[in-house]
Amino acid sequence: SQQGEEDPQALSIQEGENATMNCSYKTSINNLQWYRQNSGRGLVHLILIRSNEREKHSGRLRVTLDTSKKSSSLLITASRAADTASYFCARLQNTDKLIFGTGTRLQVFP
Amino acid sequence: EPEVTQTPSHQVTQMGQEVILRCVPISNHLYFYWYRQILGQKVEFLVSFYNNEISEKSEIFDDQFSVERPDGSNFTLKIRSTKLEDSAMYFCASTEEAGGPYEQYFGPGTRLTVT
Repeated sequence: SQQGEEDPQALSIQEGENATMNCSYKTSINNLQWYRQNSGRGLVHLILIRSNEREKHSGRLRVTLDTSKKSSSLLITASRAADTASYFCARLQNTDKLIFGTGTRLQVFP
Repeated sequence: EPEVTQTPSHQVTQMGQEVILRCVPISNHLYFYWYRQILGQKVEFLVSFYNNEISEKSEIFDDQFSVERPDGSNFTLKIRSTKLEDSAMYFCASTEEAGGPYEQYFGPGTRLTVT
């Protein structure tokens, strides 16, 4: 399968804690993107990391990419209740279509 | 900030009926996409569109589906004869360039319910 897999499938934490979500994939990539989806809503782009980058930051978000292990992680620091959502990694392969992972449902309790 | 818009937000239709989902991509974007997400499942690519033709389509995108850019702003997805399994959230996306470090901007989605 070309699909990405994310773990954990679900994650529950308290406000202020850090949340780490992982994504693995099987084929080569041009870049990898992380998206957020609130329940029943649209997809919001969070961050894009290119295949030649190892780490990228955006505010409280930190993304790492290990192309040798074909994996990426998204870290949300100092989480807030408003961070509650599903988070998906999506990779761009040789074509211009995004292949989405299965997602991690994050629940942040106040 | 420019955004992708989609209409309607929710469409209910009977099995066998035709539906047209509409999208207005970001104005200077050249590449357009449709994705779908069945409830509780992952987002799946349907089709990409550039220069008034389909660039790529998935195996989901069978003869019942078609896309069109009827004018300079709208991008539509038509399902000719809907089936129950077409019930899903349909997302339109656009980007200024294909491949490379270009973000695909997604619309808020149309929830299609086939009864």
